[in-house]
Amino acid sequence: EADIYQTPRYLVIGTGKKITLECSQTMGHDKMYWYQQDPGMELHLIHYSYGVNSTEKGDLSSESTVSRIRTEHFPLTLESARPSHTSQYLCASSTGIGSPLHFGNGTRLTVT
Amino acid sequence: AQTVTQSQPEMSVQEAETVTLSCTYDTSENNYYLFWYKQPPSRQMILVIRQEAYKQQNATENRFSVNFQKAAKSFSLKISDSQLGDTAMYFCAFQTGAGSYQLTFGKGTKLSVIP
Repeated sequence: EADIYQTPRYLVIGTGKKITLECSQTMGHDKMYWYQQDPGMELHLIHYSYGVNSTEKGDLSSESTVSRIRTEHFPLTLESARPSHTSQYLCASSTGIGSPLHFGNGTRLTVT
Repeated sequence: AQTVTQSQPEMSVQEAETVTLSCTYDTSENNYYLFWYKQPPSRQMILVIRQEAYKQQNATENRFSVNFQKAAKSFSLKISDSQLGDTAMYFCAFQTGAGSYQLTFGKGTKLSVIP
């Protein structure tokens, strides 16, 4: 079982609120990722990090931001939540080329 | 850019039967990695099986096996003796062998195992 944790598991929040989705891993993995999973279950990479102080935007444009100050921690922040941000967000980590991604349980976000 | 195609949005199988999920991909690279992931309803995404492109031998993990056809760029997953716990979304994924650590995922196949 992968040691990667996401909190909260479920979040319902009003439009305009600032939120931070937490992701932590205890495996010492350098690489970390955020995926947005749409209602049709398709996965879209929105952010990734290859190490401390390294972050990049993914294939899908997102209004969220990320930070990577510590190896084990990769939080995602939405400054002003909107209904279009309603989705499931999956965090993952890996060690490198050829290694599989380990996923957290996900955060299901609903913006009303 | 690489693409991964799963042509079966939904499939069903009787308990104890065998089912094959299809996956094709497009790449100009010779060295890469392929994965199948399973996402049960409201549960964590987990790795099912992994294949290295430079290995001709098909990967197997208990009841799960792949049919890797490199020339055809095909990577199908066979589930033998299907169990109710196999009900899940299954995602095929591609990773290049150089440069990027990211995985490119297919759109998924929803598998239902019927008792």
